[in-house]
Amino acid sequence: EAQVTQNPRYLITVTGKKLTVTCSQNMNHEYMSWYRQDPGLGLRQIYYSMNVEVTDKGDVPEGYKVSRKEKRNFPLILESPSPNQTSLYFCASRLDSNYGYTFGSGTRLTVV
Amino acid sequence: AQTVTQSQPEMSVQEAETVTLSCTYDTSENNYYLFWYKQPPSRQMILVIRQEAYKQQNATENRFSVNFQKAAKSFSLKISDSQLGDTAMYFCAFMKQRGYGGSQGNLIFGKGTKLSVKP
Repeated sequence: EAQVTQNPRYLITVTGKKLTVTCSQNMNHEYMSWYRQDPGLGLRQIYYSMNVEVTDKGDVPEGYKVSRKEKRNFPLILESPSPNQTSLYFCASRLDSNYGYTFGSGTRLTVV
Repeated sequence: AQTVTQSQPEMSVQEAETVTLSCTYDTSENNYYLFWYKQPPSRQMILVIRQEAYKQQNATENRFSVNFQKAAKSFSLKISDSQLGDTAMYFCAFMKQRGYGGSQGNLIFGKGTKLSVKP
């Protein structure tokens, strides 16, 4: 089944403790992206990647890092999480500009 | 910069009736895509329908159809024969069309409309 897989689905952590949210897609998509969703704000892009070793900032990149060492994987790294990063996170991928995005199931992150 | 506006934070409709969700956007681009995504309580983001700006014909997917007015920069979603399973948050989204490099691949989302279908 074609899908984007995120893990974990739920995560509670403490301020300053490094964490990684994994994302993997099995559709051979080149373009991958991370979004965060906050009430009343919709979804906002954090980082994106056009291909292996090619990444760039989206609209809200502060406090996040990403890497794209393999085409299928695009992990999101929070080096020192803070409470304002409490949010619902989505990973998404697409083949090219003619297609919509396929989204993962989301990761609910709480930083206390 | 592109913006997407959904002016109806919440709506409700009776089962089997028709409802229309509004979306307007602002862009100087001529070629782009527009999308409606559905987010049920399970929080999964599900693509409902997609429209290419260069196509004049409105997209349809079963009970879902759009009214795309390019000059007015309007992109409304009509749900016919509403079902209880249509209860969800609906997001309108915009994406530039010009290859897939850089920020051209970014989906710009509206803030969403919460739709409740009542039995």
